[in-house]
Parts: sequence; C-alpha cells; structure tokens
Amino acid sequence: AQTVTQSQPEMSVQEAETVTLSCTYDTSESDYYLFWYKQPPSRQMILVIRQEAYKQQNATENRFSVNFQKAAKSFSLKISDSQLGDAAMYFCAYRSARNTGANSKLTFGKGITLSVRP
Amino acid sequence: NAGVTQTPKFRVLKTGQSMTLLCAQDMNHEYMYWYRQDPGMGLRLIHYSVGEGTTAKGEVPDGYNVSRLKKQNFLLGLESAAPSQTSVYFCASSYSPAWTMNTGELFFGEGSRLTVL
Repeated sequence: AQTVTQSQPEMSVQEAETVTLSCTYDTSESDYYLFWYKQPPSRQMILVIRQEAYKQQNATENRFSVNFQKAAKSFSLKISDSQLGDAAMYFCAYRSARNTGANSKLTFGKGITLSVRP
Repeated sequence: NAGVTQTPKFRVLKTGQSMTLLCAQDMNHEYMYWYRQDPGMGLRLIHYSVGEGTTAKGEVPDGYNVSRLKKQNFLLGLESAAPSQTSVYFCASSYSPAWTMNTGELFFGEGSRLTVL
C-alpha cells in the first residue's frame, strides 16, 4: 500500500520570503500522480499543483513549484514571495495511474499548517 | 457550473441518531469518494464508487453505508451515530483513470461538519 508522509506539522514564513514544505511517499509503482492541495480556513480543498511521475520536469504554477525526486520518493513544494493568503493547511497526496477502482483513490499525508507573518 | 455540492454543511446529532449526507456532482464523473478529516490524521477514505450502482470500502468504512443509485449522486449514511464519528466529511469526484480527460485530480466539495453528542 502507498503511504504519504509529511513530517513537519507546522511551519512559519515571513511575508515575501520563500518556504519549502516537505513530503515523502512510498510506492512500488512507476506511474502515478502527486499533488499538493491547500485547505484555507474556509475548509475548501484547492488543488495547488500536480506532478505526473513520468515527467522529469518539475511542475510550476506561478509562485508555486515542486522539487520532484522520483528515486528518493520526495515531493516538496516551494512557495516563493509568500503572501498572507498562503496561510493554510497543505496536504501532499498520491494517486496511482493504474486503471483499477481500488487504486484510483487519493492517499493523503497528515498535512502541514503554514502561517505567514506580516 | 456547481462542481461538487454537499448537503448539509453542518449537522449536530445525538448518539444513536441516523442521518444521510448527500453529494451531487454535475461533471459527469464516474468515480466518487467519501473522506473524513480529523485533526492530525489527514483525510481518510471511507467508501468509494467507480460507477453508478457500485460501491466499495475504503480505509475506515465501519459505521457507514453508501449508495450510488444515480451517477451524479453519492450518499453517505450513518445508521447509529457515535461520538467517534464527529468529523468533517468531504465528498470528491473524478474521471475514470482510463478517461482521456483524466488529469488524476480529485474535485472536492466544501465539506460537511458533523458533531455527535
């Protein structure tokens, strides 16, 4: 079974600075997706960024980028120029690319609470 | 486009009462899921469905039942609520992994906060 580990429960960053959130995962599969979801106080789960395992290039979405290390099974999220609105809980998640129902679920880490200091 | 809609958003129950959470999606997704979120635990899968008329157990299915009578709806039932079921419940949906439009992403509802006294 796949597992996702977020070992840091909380982090803090100064506004306009850069912060990196760590995530490691364990899988025996070679083809899969990795995600970072943001959950602000509104509770809504918002997709931040997606990475497909077969792509070597790291995904980037504006101020958000990932460092995907497939061999090390590491998937960290870098937030540049942090803004007050980035304060939220962030979840790392894994999903198999296999076409079977039981493997279609998202497996989540426990999340990390990010605070942004003005 | 409403996406994934959950009702109700909040509910307080007494131990032993029953209730049903409704999830509706308008994206023609095949796959639907129910998760629960508890502090320090992340999101854990309760049940899921890979199509109309099908359901399957996830990681924490005990005390819950589900039904998928229509493709767009996925119902989560608590027959006899217990305080341990106090949680925030999320419904999500996605395309089948075999579908060409599939990006791997799950689309989530806004969550339903359930308190069992």
